[in-house]
Amino acid sequence: KAGVTQTPRYLIKTRGQQVTLSCSPISGHRSVSWYQQTPGQGLQFLFEYFSETQRNKGNFPGRFSGRQFSNSRSEMNVSTLELGDSALYLCASSLGTGANEQFFGPGTRLTVL
Amino acid sequence: EDQVTQSPEALRLQEGESSSLNCSYTVSGLRGLFWYRQDPGKGPEFLFTLYSAGEEKEKERLKATLTKKESFLHITAPKPEDSATYLCAVQVYSTLTFGKGTMLLVSP
Repeated sequence: KAGVTQTPRYLIKTRGQQVTLSCSPISGHRSVSWYQQTPGQGLQFLFEYFSETQRNKGNFPGRFSGRQFSNSRSEMNVSTLELGDSALYLCASSLGTGANEQFFGPGTRLTVL
Repeated sequence: EDQVTQSPEALRLQEGESSSLNCSYTVSGLRGLFWYRQDPGKGPEFLFTLYSAGEEKEKERLKATLTKKESFLHITAPKPEDSATYLCAVQVYSTLTFGKGTMLLVSP
C-alpha cells in the first residue's frame, strides 16, 4: 500500500513569490492535515481538510491556504513568501476527520531566499 | 492553552543502555497521545497511540506508557538504528499538538 506522497520534495523561492505544494494521501484516507516544521517551533498545525472542506485551522496568517479535491488529494499555497516561511512542510493523512493515527509524507523542504 | 513538553531535548546512550523519554502535557480533554519517530530528512513515522491513563503499548524495544499528566517512552537495550528524534503529540478535539521532540543518539 503506497504511503503519503508529497511533491515537490525541494523548492527554492525568493521573497514575495508564491508557492503551491501537493499531497496525495494513502488510498482510502479522506482526511489530510498540513504542518509546518522548523527547528525553533517544531511541528505546528496549519489546517485539516476532510471531504473537500476545511475542518480546522491553526494559527497562521491568511497567506497560508489550502484546498482538497474530490479524490482527497490536497494542495497548500503560500503567497507573498517571507524568509520565515522557510521550513519543512509535512502532509499527513488519516481515515477520517480527527487526528487518530495520522500518517505523514516525506515533506517538502521550502527555502525562501 | 494546550502544552506539550518533552525531555530531555537530547539523549546519548551506549548500545544496550536502557532509558526513558518523557512527554508531559497540559490539556483540557485529552482524546489521545501519540508517539512518532522522525529520521533526518523524513516525515514522522507513527509508533503508538495511547488513550487512557494506565494504558501501555509495546513494539520491539519500545514501550509507551500513559498517566494523567505524562507519557513515557521506554527504550530497552537500544541499538544504533534506534537513533532518531522521538516526537509526542496530544489530540484535543481533532488536531494534534506536538512537543519539540527528544533527539536520541545510540552509539555502538
